[in-house]
Amino acid sequence: AQSVTQLGSHVSVSEGALVLLRCNYSSSVPPYLFWYVQYPNQGLQLLLKYTSAATLVKGINGFEAEFKKSETSFHLTKPSAHMRDAAEYFCAVSPSGGYQKVTFGTGTKLQVIP
Amino acid sequence: DAGVTQSPTHLIKTRGQHVTLRCSPISGHKSVSWYQQVLGQGPQFIFQYYEKEERGRGNFPDRFSARQFPNYSSELNVNALLLGDSALYLCASSLGPGTKAVTEAFFGQGTRLTVV
Repeated sequence: AQSVTQLGSHVSVSEGALVLLRCNYSSSVPPYLFWYVQYPNQGLQLLLKYTSAATLVKGINGFEAEFKKSETSFHLTKPSAHMRDAAEYFCAVSPSGGYQKVTFGTGTKLQVIP
Repeated sequence: DAGVTQSPTHLIKTRGQHVTLRCSPISGHKSVSWYQQVLGQGPQFIFQYYEKEERGRGNFPDRFSARQFPNYSSELNVNALLLGDSALYLCASSLGPGTKAVTEAFFGQGTRLTVV
């Protein structure tokens, strides 16, 4: 069984401020973890993924996430928010083997204030 | 290279009707998964197909069915539509299991289904 919990359905930051989106996971097997971004009326775009290599993962658009097994967390950060970062972000988990059933969190909508 | 393509992009159906949604995976990808995303929520897993066989099923009623064709494209069928079936239906393709390379799911733009 696997699940993710995203803390905060809405997050607002000022342009240029730090972005921190929180995700905690639960998995009965070693997980793969993902962050996806969704812009209005569009599909999902992969930002970054953790696959048991480096615990600090760098993704596209300046985002990064750190896998912390002791805290079962995979929080997404970006040092300086840009207006184009306004979107909905989904944390997701899948088992590291076998078929790829991806379980998504409920999403966090990021608002960037000019 | 073409990404994951889904058709149609938008669809309006009446309660009780049947709908078929289509998905073409990325060239070389043999696994297709379907997700339902209700407004304001995260995507929910419906089915995964690999090599034309169902490999996983989420918690959805039997009104939902799918199949995968020899060219790895896929159809999602929903019978006896309910208002609650209104959602964005996302298709994702991946290489599939058994590969050493880490795979992730590449998503299409989705089909927006409205049931009235």
